[in-house]
Amino acid sequence: AQSVTQLGSHVSVSEGALVLLRCNYSSSVPPYLFWYVQYPNQGLQLLLKYTTGATLVKGINGFEAEFKKSETSFHLTKPSAHMSDAAEYFCAVSLDSNYQLIWGAGTKLIIKP
Amino acid sequence: DAGVIQSPRHEVTEMGQEVTLRCKPISGHNSLFWYRQTMMRGLELLIYFNNNVPIDDSGMPEDRFSAKMPNASFSTLKIQPSEPRDSAVYFCASTVDRDSYNSPLHFGNGTRLTVT
Repeated sequence: AQSVTQLGSHVSVSEGALVLLRCNYSSSVPPYLFWYVQYPNQGLQLLLKYTTGATLVKGINGFEAEFKKSETSFHLTKPSAHMSDAAEYFCAVSLDSNYQLIWGAGTKLIIKP
Repeated sequence: DAGVIQSPRHEVTEMGQEVTLRCKPISGHNSLFWYRQTMMRGLELLIYFNNNVPIDDSGMPEDRFSAKMPNASFSTLKIQPSEPRDSAVYFCASTVDRDSYNSPLHFGNGTRLTVT
């Protein structure tokens, strides 16, 4: 069965520092991988996705993620945090269709001035 | 593009009352999803429609929950009778094509339900 683990329910970084949000998955076959972001009092929106091809994918707002099959990971990074990045970030995986997403528990990103 | 529209944004009701949550998907999207978000359980898929037909309702917690999609531009999620444990944020999401990963889920801003 598929599962998604996001390490750290809360991550705090200083403005301008590197952002690293961790996501590991378990799957018997290579999955499709997604990061969604949820700003306060809003719904989720797609940040980036990996389906096939290049393992380093770039998303909106300067975020990127790298699919590492050997590590079963899809960590999200941004070189320099901005106050507007404060939000909750969700990793999700799917094997076979858009709707059968398995969601991680979410990581709340806190940006310190 | 107005996005997915949900109403009301907040709902406070007493235990035993009927609650109806509403959703208008993005025009042209043929798949619609209802999710529930809580601190304890995270995001849970409740039910999924494709072309207005319920495809998978295995996530609906109890018979007290029901959902309808009478046409392509409107869906409701009803809880009758409501209980305090139903308190959560309920999201509606839509997508053009459930089978295409080039078609992301578009979420509404949610309805925060509080049952006292």
